[in-house]
Amino acid sequence: DIQMTQSPSTLSASVGDRVTITCRASQSISSWLAWYQQKPGKAPKLLIYKASSLESGVPSRFSGSGSGTEFTLTISSLQPDDFATYYCQQYNSYSFLTFGGGTKVEIK
Amino acid sequence: EVQLVESGGGLVKPGGSLRLSCAASGFTFSSYSMNWVRQAPGKGLEWVSSISSSSSYIYYADSVKGRFTISRDNAKNSLYLQMNSLRAEDTAVYYCARDSTTGTLDYWGQGTLVTVSS
Repeated sequence: DIQMTQSPSTLSASVGDRVTITCRASQSISSWLAWYQQKPGKAPKLLIYKASSLESGVPSRFSGSGSGTEFTLTISSLQPDDFATYYCQQYNSYSFLTFGGGTKVEIK
Repeated sequence: EVQLVESGGGLVKPGGSLRLSCAASGFTFSSYSMNWVRQAPGKGLEWVSSISSSSSYIYYADSVKGRFTISRDNAKNSLYLQMNSLRAEDTAVYYCARDSTTGTLDYWGQGTLVTVSS
């Protein structure tokens, strides 16, 4: 099974900061990676698919990059609404989806 | 508007059973694969099971294989998860989620809480 490892697990940042979250796969997943945002008590929301494609309606300050085993999610200028937990998810192995452990973005 | 509404959660004793339902609306349900994803209190997301549009392909996480059964009724626009032999570690919010044409989970329900405790 493919394991997904996110870092850091917690990130403290201020409004306006540039934020980068890393996700590593235990084996190559090509570009079959998605990023989700989750706020407390709410369902996850899809932000990025196929590593770098922005889901419709998602602000352009969010971007994704990478392929193979290493991926990043970048928020170019952190906004108050962006404080949340972010998860990566691989879908290279369609019979077994895997999420990363999550990265909580906190207010500094 | 796409809507997914889960129901059927609750408190159950270890070893007991529960059946979750997910009512879908706002899209052609029979054209999409569907998934169940769970989240234990204070923990991350864990994929549980998926089912293809015509139920031809079904997959489970190792942690639930042999105990949980996913199914769907396209005539009723509904997804189900039959959970047997429940354990304390199955305690979680269970979400149903639509599998988009890109293979990601593009719409999620609000979740239903399952608590396994004596």
